[in-house]
Amino acid sequence: DQQVKQNSPSLSVQEGRISILNCDYTNSMFDYFLWYKKYPAEGPTFLISISSIKDKNEDGRFTVFLNKSAKHLSLHIVPSQPGDSAVYFCAAIIMTTDSWGKLQFGAGTQVVVTP
Amino acid sequence: DTGVSQNPRHKITKRGQNVTFRCDPISEHNRLYWYRQTLGQGPEFLTYFQNEAQLEKSRLLSDRFSAERPKGSFSTLEIQRTEQGDSAMYLCASSLRQTALSNYGYTFGSGTRLTVV
Repeated sequence: DQQVKQNSPSLSVQEGRISILNCDYTNSMFDYFLWYKKYPAEGPTFLISISSIKDKNEDGRFTVFLNKSAKHLSLHIVPSQPGDSAVYFCAAIIMTTDSWGKLQFGAGTQVVVTP
Repeated sequence: DTGVSQNPRHKITKRGQNVTFRCDPISEHNRLYWYRQTLGQGPEFLTYFQNEAQLEKSRLLSDRFSAERPKGSFSTLEIQRTEQGDSAMYLCASSLRQTALSNYGYTFGSGTRLTVV
């Protein structure tokens, strides 16, 4: 039962342009969302998060947008840099019941930033 | 503090053998999590410890899997009678209870890649 979905397995973007990664979820109980970045042979590292009471959170080049009615969130990276080439995972949690931290992940999107 | 350490990094084993992985969390973290990641998928939750107590187990964790966290420090994940379907990356993460709700303070290890042949 895949409750968090990333339907684009890969994304290629030119250096300096915007990268937009999409994530959809089916469980309306999710109330906190996170994005992780993963390089090969390393564990995922936290990137940015957003609470369901907000519709936008920004941190430097990274902005996450949440559309609760559509059960959709997106991660924008502007401008994209070669070091951003990695796999990006969307994750969600139901804080009221899983407050100890059981994350549900999407399948990931491989981003390649080209010169 | 060198982060979350997992050993071994790679393990190749024959089907039917038992394997054990170790995770050393960040020393002050009282929560420890195991996830499994198969090719083309995101990490899937397996189990979670608060100190030495195992508080949640996924249905993915069959009877052949057992995890322990003696004394609330390092943790081991053992797979008995391995099957080819067990081939995956096994990820460990840790966090502090107080920060677990603040960007989840999750720190993942680099994982142990298991290949069952």
